[in-house]
Amino acid sequence: AQSVTQLGSHVSVSEGALVLLRCNYSSSVPPYLFWYVQYPNQGLQLLLKYTTGATLVKGINGFEAEFKKSETSFHLTKPSAHMSDAAEYFCAVRGMDSSYKLIFGSGTRLLVRP
Amino acid sequence: GAVVSQHPSRVICKSGTSVKIECRSLDFQATTMFWYRQFPKQSLMLMATSNEGSKATYEQGVEKDKFLINHASLTLSTLTVTSAHPEDSSFYICSAREGPDRGRSPLHFGNGTRLTVT
Repeated sequence: AQSVTQLGSHVSVSEGALVLLRCNYSSSVPPYLFWYVQYPNQGLQLLLKYTTGATLVKGINGFEAEFKKSETSFHLTKPSAHMSDAAEYFCAVRGMDSSYKLIFGSGTRLLVRP
Repeated sequence: GAVVSQHPSRVICKSGTSVKIECRSLDFQATTMFWYRQFPKQSLMLMATSNEGSKATYEQGVEKDKFLINHASLTLSTLTVTSAHPEDSSFYICSAREGPDRGRSPLHFGNGTRLTVT
């Protein structure tokens, strides 16, 4: 079965500092992986996704993630945090049943200090 | 880009009444829609998968008679919370899949509905 684990329910960084949000996955087949962002009282917005091909994936708002099969990881990074990046971030893996539903991690709240 | 409209954004209802939440794909056809429930400061819990023209598939532990899902067209799915109780208060989010390739096609999310049952 597919699953994702997000290490750290809260991450706090200073504005301008590197953002690193961790995600490890478990999958019996080559995974499709996603990062979503959620602002308060809103739905989810896709930041980026990995399906096949290049392992370094660039997304919106300056975020990127690298798929590392050997480490079963898909960590999300951004070189320089902005105040507007403060939000909840969810890593997800595509399920393998016929619906291809998304299986979400527990989420990481990013706090950005001025 | 693909837009999913969810309505209403907030609703307050009395215990025992029913509430309907709509999820519409505005500029694409969505053969599959998903309904999630999110408790405060927690992740999204999948409630059911809705396929146009067929019965919804509910996740284990989700009462299908309480959470009625209808997906009558390629652009509209509805979730009805029947005989709502305070414990049903939550944030409900729908998502719709764009495109025929179910494996690669992205999911687009509505902005959610905050349900409060008094």
